Amino acid sequence: GIQVEQSPPDLILQEGANSTLRCNFSDSVNNLQWFHQNPWGQLINLFYIPSGTKQNGRLSATTVATERYSLLYISSSQTTDSGVYFCAVDDYSGYSTLTFGKGTMLLVSP
Amino acid sequence: DTAVSQTPKYLVTQMGNDKSIKCEQNLGHDTMYWYKQDSKKFLKIMFSYNNKELIINETVPNRFSPKSPDKAHLNLHINSLELGDSAVYFCATSALAGGNTDTQYFGPGTRLTVL
Repeated sequence: GIQVEQSPPDLILQEGANSTLRCNFSDSVNNLQWFHQNPWGQLINLFYIPSGTKQNGRLSATTVATERYSLLYISSSQTTDSGVYFCAVDDYSGYSTLTFGKGTMLLVSP
Repeated sequence: DTAVSQTPKYLVTQMGNDKSIKCEQNLGHDTMYWYKQDSKKFLKIMFSYNNKELIINETVPNRFSPKSPDKAHLNLHINSLELGDSAVYFCATSALAGGNTDTQYFGPGTRLTVL
């Protein structure tokens, strides 16, 4: 099956700093989503981005499908950005299920 | 209104018991899923249901059985619970299925603890 690798595994930032999270995948995808799992365990959709670039406030994401990677940018980080960021992909297997990476654990300190 | 809801939020039970987790969605989506998140926070697909038909079962033990009474509900029944079943279980939905792609929306999760 498709492999999804996220980096870095852990990241500690001071409030106000910027960061870039990376997601590499091993095969062509027809769906790529970024999620934020907050400290209460809730999985929050950030982006549906199988290709191209999207922005939502301080967050933006870019997927280069031909090179099989996606980047999540967090600017002017806040303590509420802390949590685990997951990249998940759906390949062309026909089942529309998501394969998740292991996540990036982000801690933003005041 | 919560788009995808799960009950209960927490479930603590003894080994060997049978339990159910309920999932309801009000998005009108065609496909529902169950994912399992283990103690290392790794998320993995368990089941996918489209219009009451099981699309895929990812080598999950047959002690786990999804049941969909209607398009808006997908419940997860677990028989003879084992310690290794302790995890957080997430329900999810999407509008499309069968190779088509769309955003998946996740419920709040159910934390199952087996003692």
